[in-house]
Amino acid sequence: DTGVSQNPRHKITKRGQNVTFRCDPISEHNRLYWYRQTLGQGPEFLTYFQNEAQLEKSRLLSDRFSAERPKGSFSTLEIQRTEQGDSAMYLCASTPPSGGSNEQFFGPGTRLTVL
Amino acid sequence: AQTVTQSQPEMSVQEAETVTLSCTYDTSESDYYLFWYKQPPSRQMILVIRQEAYKQQNATENRFSVNFQKAAKSFSLKISDSQLGDAAMYFCAFLLSGYSTLTFGKGTMLLVSP
Repeated sequence: DTGVSQNPRHKITKRGQNVTFRCDPISEHNRLYWYRQTLGQGPEFLTYFQNEAQLEKSRLLSDRFSAERPKGSFSTLEIQRTEQGDSAMYLCASTPPSGGSNEQFFGPGTRLTVL
Repeated sequence: AQTVTQSQPEMSVQEAETVTLSCTYDTSESDYYLFWYKQPPSRQMILVIRQEAYKQQNATENRFSVNFQKAAKSFSLKISDSQLGDAAMYFCAFLLSGYSTLTFGKGTMLLVSP
């Protein structure tokens, strides 16, 4: 399967714990995005990388959230001191270098439940 | 800031019939892209159709077509000959040219009955 992959698919944690999610984009896609989707809502942008550079961060990304893409390939999203309000689906997407169709290819998401 | 509004939380259609999902957006820019994404239950989101704002011709992809009214800032999706596999959440999304982040609407759940 050469699509965007995300791990884990589901994560249940207790309030106050730290969690880390991983996203592997489609090979050769240099742009990678993280979105958060809560129940009944569309995805909301969190952050965006071009290669290893984090170019944009949403105000939704509080200081408890950090994202990295150290080698310009896979990316991790860490949430520290989780809160119940962090419960959501976290989606990753990737796009090829500019000049393409602007289509973002989405992964299956990681569903986080904070108890 | 751009906003996308989908005013229909849920729509129903029978197999083989046609259904139209509504989307309006608000922007002061003139160069942008619009998308419809499909999110089946427990499956990943996939692109259904895209429209460049500078193109007057409405995009079509097989059974899927859009009615793009730039002046009215409206971008509806028409699904013809509906199939059971079309049942999903459909999201309208906006992308400003030169930027990389999508703005999504809240989605419309499409139910398809035999």
